[in-house]
Amino acid sequence: QQKVQQSPESLTVSEGAMASLNCTFSDRSSDNFRWYRQHSGKGLEVLVSIFSDGEKEEGSFTAHLNRASLHVFLHIREPQPSDSALYLCAVWGGRALIFGTGTTVSVSP
Amino acid sequence: DMKVTQMPRYLIKRMGENVLLECGQDMSHETMYWYRQDPGLGLQLIYISYDVDSNSEGDIPKGYRVSRKKREHFSLILDSAKTNQTSVYFCASSLLGNQDTQYFGPGTRLLVL
Repeated sequence: QQKVQQSPESLTVSEGAMASLNCTFSDRSSDNFRWYRQHSGKGLEVLVSIFSDGEKEEGSFTAHLNRASLHVFLHIREPQPSDSALYLCAVWGGRALIFGTGTTVSVSP
Repeated sequence: DMKVTQMPRYLIKRMGENVLLECGQDMSHETMYWYRQDPGLGLQLIYISYDVDSNSEGDIPKGYRVSRKKREHFSLILDSAKTNQTSVYFCASSLLGNQDTQYFGPGTRLLVL
């Protein structure tokens, strides 16, 4: 079964600095990857979906997929304090998404 | 505006009591899901429903059952709740389930004493 791991566990960045999150997966045959954001006590909000190698940009979020190296990255451009949240990587596992355990991002003013 | 709702948002039950968690969606999505989220474990899939009365076990179905009698409603039932079922439960829906975007509800925080 597809396994998904995220690093780092937590990340603190200054407001306006780029934040980069890493997600590794175990089965490169998947072609459906998504990044979600979860504010404390809230539900999951889809940020960006990517289905082929390369980059996909949605607002201030850019996903970068490299299936050969089994990595999908999320870059957050000019993060604001309101971007402080848990970021979850999800990979299609055949019948549902398989989630990583997340990276907690804190954006300091 | 696509919306997935969950009721109740917070629930406290005693061990051995029955629990009913409800989920609704207004998007006519065929596929619905129940996950639970625990610290350090991420979201784990409990059940999938592909349409009315067409349900399938997920990765951790033990201790749970589901009911889907209308396309827009999907219920998760815990018969005789256990303390290790204390968790945050999320419902999600997608148009066809065939790799379509999953939209999530706000979650239900369940505490079993």
